[in-house]
Amino acid sequence: EVQLVQSGAEVKKPGESLKISCKGSGYSFTSYWIGWVRQMPGKGLEWMGIIYPGDSDTRYSPSFQGQVTISADKSISTAYLQWSSLKASDTAMYYCARLGGGYCSGGSCYGEFDPWGQGTLVTVSS
Amino acid sequence: QSVLTQPPSVSAAPGQKVTISCSGSSSNIGNNYVSWYQQLPGTAPKLLIYDNNKRPSGIPDRFSGSKSGTSATLGITGLQTGDEADYYCGTWDSSLSASYVFGTGTKVTVL
Repeated sequence: EVQLVQSGAEVKKPGESLKISCKGSGYSFTSYWIGWVRQMPGKGLEWMGIIYPGDSDTRYSPSFQGQVTISADKSISTAYLQWSSLKASDTAMYYCARLGGGYCSGGSCYGEFDPWGQGTLVTVSS
Repeated sequence: QSVLTQPPSVSAAPGQKVTISCSGSSSNIGNNYVSWYQQLPGTAPKLLIYDNNKRPSGIPDRFSGSKSGTSATLGITGLQTGDEADYYCGTWDSSLSASYVFGTGTKVTVL
């Protein structure tokens, strides 16, 4: 069974750093792109970026470029999303999702996100 | 500030049909496949439709998708209480450095 399992909920203070994880299993982790999606409380889905664990090729949404860092460690089939200095406005649920049946080439990407991780709730409060 | 517009809510009685529209532009829906995701309360989104009208294994044929020009539509027939959820369309946008864009989301209520 293809599965993405995310790390647990985090409570942090503004200015602190954070790295959350997403571990893939049941498939070749290095052969599929992994994306990250933010969902702020009571709001819709926002795509943050995507990484290809095979060579760490990474693309960011213009809205999140420079705000977060996406990385992956293919030796342990895990993708990461990290912040160097959290803000209260980073409080949200964060999901990882596999780009099933798709790929990115040059300036274009194709495909849909399936499956999704269970989500990691990040709360930033003083 | 999603570039894909959906109605905030739709509702119908059990057994009835609902449709959800997703309006975009030539840089996204007009030139890319559309997917639909279902998010049940308190859970992660789940893929419902991909490539405009294909259903992943396990998704009942009560759910259907279509696309015309720069708009897409999700249809749900034989509405069930378990279908109460938020639904999002999604596709790639070539004008935003190959970013994926989601619709604004639609809450389906079973009366």
